[in-house]
Amino acid sequence: NAGVTQTPKFRILKIGQSMTLQCTQDMNHNYMYWYRQDPGMGLKLIYYSVGAGITDKGEVPNGYNVSRSTTEDFPLRLELAAPSQTSVYFCASTNLDTRIEAFFGQGTRLTVV
Amino acid sequence: AQTVTQSQPEMSVQEAETVTLSCTYDTSENNYYLFWYKQPPSRQMILVIRQEAYKQQNATENRFSVNFQKAAKSFSLKISDSQLGDTAMYFCAFIGHDMRFGAGTRLTVKP
Repeated sequence: NAGVTQTPKFRILKIGQSMTLQCTQDMNHNYMYWYRQDPGMGLKLIYYSVGAGITDKGEVPNGYNVSRSTTEDFPLRLELAAPSQTSVYFCASTNLDTRIEAFFGQGTRLTVV
Repeated sequence: AQTVTQSQPEMSVQEAETVTLSCTYDTSENNYYLFWYKQPPSRQMILVIRQEAYKQQNATENRFSVNFQKAAKSFSLKISDSQLGDTAMYFCAFIGHDMRFGAGTRLTVKP
């Protein structure tokens, strides 16, 4: 099992550019989440999904979009990148029935210049 | 929406001693889980311990234990016999209809 896989690991964007952060899990988890973590801070929830076709906003959704067309994939789209979106992004997944543990990707360090 | 509060930004402890990290949360949900995650400089998120809200018994994992006070919405982590490898950021997390994290406590274990 690969668990939760995020790509890319690092990216530098120019202001106004767009990009998609990819997240895939192979554990058949219902719930998937996207977070951002600013230096020395906690994880802020951007968007989450309870299953294919269902997404909902978290604490800090502005400037981001998501889709969930399959159980496995939960991409995060940044439109018109801004310096305030410089952060480390984490994708996570967990199982609706058990919720025993959340599994995390290794993170994507994004810098907007 | 639920919130998670960690009121101790930084803590330090001498090696082999005991330290307690605090966490409070607010929710209207009845069915939820609480977790403590450890994040070393590698940024990897490592599960330390979990607690199901419907269980009254406090969870224990080797040197790690929790004090879960459901009525007070409090969930503290006790680390016994602290080791240098325990140095990391510690996050309290709540899983209900979504998953929220506290701001974290930076723990330093001193030799």
